[in-house]
Amino acid sequence: EIVLTQSPGTLSLSPGERATLSCRASQSVSSSYLAWYQQKPGQAPRLLIYGASSRATGIPDRFSGSGSGTDFTLTISRLEPEDFAVYYCQQYGSSPLYSFGQGTKLEIK
Amino acid sequence: EVQLVQSGAEVKKPGESLKISCKGSGYSFTSYWIGWVRQMPGKGLEWMGIIYPGDSDTRYSPSFQGQVTISADKSISTAYLQWSSLKASDTAMYYCARPHPHCSGGSCYGYWGQGTLVTVSS
Repeated sequence: EIVLTQSPGTLSLSPGERATLSCRASQSVSSSYLAWYQQKPGQAPRLLIYGASSRATGIPDRFSGSGSGTDFTLTISRLEPEDFAVYYCQQYGSSPLYSFGQGTKLEIK
Repeated sequence: EVQLVQSGAEVKKPGESLKISCKGSGYSFTSYWIGWVRQMPGKGLEWMGIIYPGDSDTRYSPSFQGQVTISADKSISTAYLQWSSLKASDTAMYYCARPHPHCSGGSCYGYWGQGTLVTVSS
């Protein structure tokens, strides 16, 4: 069973700073099948990145994804106040068919 | 516009049964898999299973196999998640979700329902 481990668990930064979130898989994941989501309190998750590096419709270009194999990264180039939320990576294809990382909470410093 | 609208919050007692729903609109309901995702209070996202409403093909996460039943009624564009005997540990928010067309092989969820909060307490 594949396990996605996100780090750090919590990231404390200020608006305007750069955020780098990591997602490490216990076995190789096809880049086509790695996605990132943002979730704010009381809301459903929102798709940010699919195929490891493609931005979903309407997602600002300050969000970018990269990586391959077992190591993937979500970068937010300059944090805006609305970016403080929880972020999840997600893989498809290995057992279980879909799985999520445990999340990284991005909080205001 | 693609929409997934879920049924309202439920409060149940341990041992009771429950069926929650997710109605799709704005697209061909039979052409996309629908998934269910659990989020326990203050915790992360857990994938439970999926159904293809076109032929009711269903897949479960090993963690949820035998614990819940996923079904769909394509005549009313609605997917369901049901329990035969609830436990306090089933208390959670449950989301339905549909892949975005850009997600290769249906690999990621671009459309989400608003969530159904299930509370199980004696």
